[in-house]
Parts: sequence; C-alpha cells; structure tokens
Amino acid sequence: QVQLQESGPGLVKPSQTLSLTCTVSGGSISSGSYYWSWIRQPAGKGLEWIGRIYTSGSTNYNPSLKSRVTISVDTSKNQFSLKLSSVTAADTAVYYCARGNPPGYWGQGTLVTVSS
Amino acid sequence: DIQMTQSPSSLSASVGDRVTITCRASQSISSYLNWYQQKPGKAPKLLIYAASSLQSGVPSKFSGSGSGTDFTLTISSLQPEDFATYYCQESYSTPFTFGPGTKVDIK
Repeated sequence: QVQLQESGPGLVKPSQTLSLTCTVSGGSISSGSYYWSWIRQPAGKGLEWIGRIYTSGSTNYNPSLKSRVTISVDTSKNQFSLKLSSVTAADTAVYYCARGNPPGYWGQGTLVTVSS
Repeated sequence: DIQMTQSPSSLSASVGDRVTITCRASQSISSYLNWYQQKPGKAPKLLIYAASSLQSGVPSKFSGSGSGTDFTLTISSLQPEDFATYYCQESYSTPFTFGPGTKVDIK
C-alpha cells in the first residue's frame, strides 16, 4: 500500500520560498505511470490544485501560480518536491501531496504559515 | 479556467436519508468529474472518478452520474460516518478546479 508523507518548514517568512517534500513509501516513485500532485487548502476554505509531475518528468502547473511554482522528483530518495517562491500570507494553507489521476492516494497534509 | 459550482452549499440530513449533491461545470467536461469526501483534519478521499466509477474500497452506497456540465453524487442511505464535506473536481483541463464543497451535517 503506497503511503505519502509531506515534510518541510511550518513557518515561512513573506517573500521567501516555501519548500516541501513528499516522501513515498510502499512503492517506487519511478515505477509505473503516475502523476504526483500538490494540492493546498487554506484554513476553512476549499481545495486548490497547485500542479503535478508525471513519471516521465513532465509537469503541469496552475496558471495562477505558474510563475512561482516548481515541482520536481528525486528518484534516488523516492521523493517529489514543491517550491513556491515569493510567498505571501495568501499562501498560508495545508499542503497535500497525492498520487494518481485523479489523486487516489494522499498524504496527511502539512500546515505552512507565511508570517514574519 | 473551468468554473465549478455545487449545490447546496450545506445540508442537514438524518441517518438513513438519501442525499443528492449537484455539481455544475461552466463548460462541458464530458465525464471528467471526480468526487471527494473530506472529514475535519483529514485529507480528501476519492469516492468517484470519471463521473460514475466507484473508487476501489468505497462502499456502493455512493454513486455518481452525469456528463457534460451537470453531475450528481448520491448517498443512498446516510450513515454517521458519512457526515463530512464533499467536493467535486473537474479533470478535463488544468487547473483541475474543485467545487466549493457541500457540507453534510446531522439534522
């Protein structure tokens, strides 16, 4: 059974870069043909799709975030990562990593707060 | 971007009730529509994909229907564990927009 776990700083200063990692267990990130996604949810609000990376390395990003987002894969560590630059308070949210199209496996989520 | 709406935004129901939630897309998305259940403090759980296909392990009391722009999620007999927020999501084109959610609580 594949499991995903987000990790990274819980507090990021405005204008800095938010960096999160999703560690995959129970299967190799490079085996099969899967999409690996990031989705976020501000407190008390709905879900926002951030972007995804395919097993081949191709990426798709939300146009509203595209200029600030990078998603990458590290097959040696069985991880994929999210970088979001120039963050503001509006980027405060629970960030989820997920696998599949549509995502059927999700991490538990990690809260990232943007504050000085 | 495709806009997704859901109705109602919330509903109160009793155990055993049949519940129907509606999702509408701003343009045709064929059958590229997914449904998720989310409980407080938990990650969303995929229930239905491709409008009407039941995700593995999801009980058959959940069903989905629709195509084009109008879709429904039905819970045939509401149980205590079904009280949650339900989201639809289009997977027709990025940014794969989610609906605003429907909160189902106990009457």
